[in-house]
Amino acid sequence: ILNVEQSPQSLHVQEGDSTNFTCSFPSSNFYALHWYRWETAKSPEALFVMTLNGDEKKKGRISATLNTKEGYSYLYIKGSQPEDSATYLCASITSGTYKYIFGTGTRLKVLA
Amino acid sequence: GAGVSQSPRYKVAKRGQDVALRCDPISGHVSLFWYQQALGQGPEFLTYFQNEAQLDKSGLPSDRFFAERPEGSVSTLKIQRTQQEDSAVYLCASRGLAGVNTGELFFGEGSRLTVL
Repeated sequence: ILNVEQSPQSLHVQEGDSTNFTCSFPSSNFYALHWYRWETAKSPEALFVMTLNGDEKKKGRISATLNTKEGYSYLYIKGSQPEDSATYLCASITSGTYKYIFGTGTRLKVLA
Repeated sequence: GAGVSQSPRYKVAKRGQDVALRCDPISGHVSLFWYQQALGQGPEFLTYFQNEAQLDKSGLPSDRFFAERPEGSVSTLKIQRTQQEDSAVYLCASRGLAGVNTGELFFGEGSRLTVL
């Protein structure tokens, strides 16, 4: 994988459903992986900064895992709420650079 | 303010006009990034500053794009002779010294440019 790829591009879930999305990134020279949440008409905000293989981070109902050897990260949302509706972006940073390479994002819509 | 501030939030330009987009980062943040997000795409890197030094401008799409940060705080992205393909959201982000290269980015709300 040369670029950062996210899937799915978009999804709709019902309130209360749990969901997850994937971020795939180049595994060679990995340095860090970021997740951001971007709500409409607001600025993107950091959710997680992950650096170690096997990292698991949690913030309320949202959690993320990291596999640097195979180059993927999962973001999980448990019991989705309408306020979780946003675009979720991941960004990969390669060792020796300062560029954050972003994926195209996953647009989540939680239906009440 | 406490966050990153960008202006204008919205700009409509006629093709061929010059535009200037301003970014006011969080006070004391050393690093400043500009990103371009076209419709349906993720943010694409444009340029990076450390204090007043522009360390990387490899993402600027053409010589019509120019960025500066003369005093190491406020930054301006200038686009000359705008073209329709320049229509995008331009995001500015800053980062403090702590956690260099792994630290989270603090974004502004973006400047949405529409070129007619």
